[in-house]
Amino acid sequence: NAGVTQTPKFQVLKTGQSMTLQCAQDMNHNSMYWYRQDPGMGLRLIYYSASEGTTDKGEVPNGYNVSRLNKREFSLRLESAAPSQTSVYFCASSELYTEAFFGQGTRLTVV
Amino acid sequence: AQSVTQPDIHITVSEGASLELRCNYSYGATPYLFWYVQSPGQGLQLLLKYFSGDTLVQGIKGFEAEFKRSQSSFNLRKPSVHWSDAAEYFCAVGHLNAGGTSYGKLTFGQGTILTVHP
Repeated sequence: NAGVTQTPKFQVLKTGQSMTLQCAQDMNHNSMYWYRQDPGMGLRLIYYSASEGTTDKGEVPNGYNVSRLNKREFSLRLESAAPSQTSVYFCASSELYTEAFFGQGTRLTVV
Repeated sequence: AQSVTQPDIHITVSEGASLELRCNYSYGATPYLFWYVQSPGQGLQLLLKYFSGDTLVQGIKGFEAEFKRSQSSFNLRKPSVHWSDAAEYFCAVGHLNAGGTSYGKLTFGQGTILTVHP
């Protein structure tokens, strides 16, 4: 069982380029989340989707957009990448009264 | 505003010694609390969680945590550390999301890096 799968695992972008991070879960969870991890700051919530067809902003949404494509898939888009978006991005999914299950992460560098 | 504080950025212990990692939270309602562990280059793995009931929670790999409402704390403990426990540890508070469908909306502490000496 795969759990939460993120692609790609690594990416280097030039400032101003765009890209989409993909996430899929096979646990039939209603809720999905995107976090970013920066040294000394723990993980911070970017956007989440409580259920298919809904999305909400988290703590640090500026510069990002999301799409809940279906119940399994939740993508994160950077329209015009900036060096401040260099980070490790984690996708997670959960159900009521369960913990959040995390993917392996995408390490993004913007130069 | 909700917050989670892990006062120790870096802790070093000898293999076989006991361990306690501190976590303090600020949260208005009944907290849902988690401890995750992250090995270098990996995702986050759940060690244990507290939703309600017994305030002493047992987790995987021999870890336990105690919820103390009066102290707003959820400290993680292990009686005897193994070299494989070296990793970064995160405490988190879960919030109910806008749709009411899960507590996966997490506020994390800054993390504590554990180094284990042989």
